[in-house]
Amino acid sequence: KNQVEQSPQSLIILEGKNCTLQCNYTVSPFSNLRWYKQDTGRGPVSLTIMTFSENTKSNGRYTATLDADTKQSSLHITASQLSDSASYICVVLSGGQAGTALIFGKGTTLSVSS
Amino acid sequence: DSGVTQTPKHLITATGQRVTLRCSPRSGDLSVYWYQQSLDQGLQFLIQYYNGEERAKGNILERFSAQQFPDLHSELNLSSLELGDSALYFCASSRRLWGGGPADTQYFGPGTRLTVL
Repeated sequence: KNQVEQSPQSLIILEGKNCTLQCNYTVSPFSNLRWYKQDTGRGPVSLTIMTFSENTKSNGRYTATLDADTKQSSLHITASQLSDSASYICVVLSGGQAGTALIFGKGTTLSVSS
Repeated sequence: DSGVTQTPKHLITATGQRVTLRCSPRSGDLSVYWYQQSLDQGLQFLIQYYNGEERAKGNILERFSAQQFPDLHSELNLSSLELGDSALYFCASSRRLWGGGPADTQYFGPGTRLTVL
């Protein structure tokens, strides 16, 4: 069964600290993996898209990694800011002859405090 | 501002009714996606159109339908509404489809909050 699991479910960190969010998936066939940031009540914002051949991709203070062998991805946030408080959603795209499927993780809620 | 517009922002209606949500993609984007986000289900993909044609279907109920018009705007029609249809409905657009390049980045609109009483 295609699944995307994110951990932790929630996280509280102090401003300025780093953190890492995890995403494990069992999706086949794998097409690409996306990380989104979603502020409460607003539309998600794309952070990174990674294909099978990409190990690392950065977007400012956000760095995503992908290990296609172990089917794991992580999102590392450096020098956190209060504005990083949001839900972070991992999405895996599966594309095959059966068609395209999007499998969503339930998200990690990050709270950055001063 | 993502460049994707959605109307209305809020919609309150009664069970059994029918509503239409509207989405205008970013200029130049050919692909439009619809998502539903409820408190207990999280974000769910409903349907995708590319240049007027349906290209992918997710967990869209038979009571729901969508279309993309020649000017590329899209409408999501929800009928025979139930209490459980109360949710945030997001539209997103991208230049291309589901690849891994920058042109496949999806830009989300602000959403339409639907409340069914």
